[in-house]
Amino acid sequence: GEDVEQSLFLSVREGDSSVINCTYTDSSSTYLYWYKQEPGAGLQLLTYIFSNMDMKQDQRLTVLLNKKDKHLSLRIADTQTGDSAIYFCAESNSSASKIIFGSGTRLSIRP
Amino acid sequence: ETGVTQTPRHLVMGMTNKKSLKCEQHLGHNAMYWYKQSAKKPLELMFVYSLEERVENNSVPSRFSPECPNSSHLFLHLHTLQPEDSALYLCASSQDIGSYEQYFGPGTRLTVT
Repeated sequence: GEDVEQSLFLSVREGDSSVINCTYTDSSSTYLYWYKQEPGAGLQLLTYIFSNMDMKQDQRLTVLLNKKDKHLSLRIADTQTGDSAIYFCAESNSSASKIIFGSGTRLSIRP
Repeated sequence: ETGVTQTPRHLVMGMTNKKSLKCEQHLGHNAMYWYKQSAKKPLELMFVYSLEERVENNSVPSRFSPECPNSSHLFLHLHTLQPEDSALYLCASSQDIGSYEQYFGPGTRLTVT
C-alpha cells in the first residue's frame, strides 16, 4: 500500500538552513505536500508540488522532488525560532480524494 | 484562524463512558474528514464525508461512530473506548472531495483511562 516515511526529529541552529526529507512509495502520486503543525494547533498547508515539477520556491521555502527516487525535500532558509513545529510530508493521487501523511518531523531550533 | 473549530479541546473519559467530539467549519466546504494522530505514527484517516454522505471508512472500529448532520458539522461519537484510543483527533475540511488543500482544526486531545 501507499507509504510515506520521514525522520522523526531534526535540530538546527537559528539562521542555518533546515532540510527535511521524505520518501514515498506510490508511483501514481500526483500531488506532494508539506504541512506544518505548531504546538496546540492543527495542520496547515505550507506548500505543495505537482509531480511533473522538480522544484518549487516560495520565499524561504524550497521544495525539491526527485520522482525517480520518490524523494521529496523541504528546505527552509534562515531558520527562525518561529519555524519550530512538526512538518508532515504527504501525497495524493490525481483525484486528491485521500491524502497519505507521514509521521511528521519535529524541527527544533537551537540558539 | 483556520475556519475549522473543534470542541472540546481536551477530553478525559473512562472506558465505559460515552462522549462526542464536535467539529464545525465556517468555510462553506463540502467535504469533511476525521483523522487520528498518535505519537510517532502517521496521521490516520478515519472517515470522509462529502455532502453529508460518508464516502470512506478506513476500517475504524465500531466504537467510533461518525455523524454529519449537515455540511458544516461533523461529530465523532465515542463509546467503550480503549486506552490505545488515546490520541489527538483532528477534523479537516476541503472545498470538495477532490480538492488538494485540506483545512485542519486544532484537534481534540483525548485520554482514555
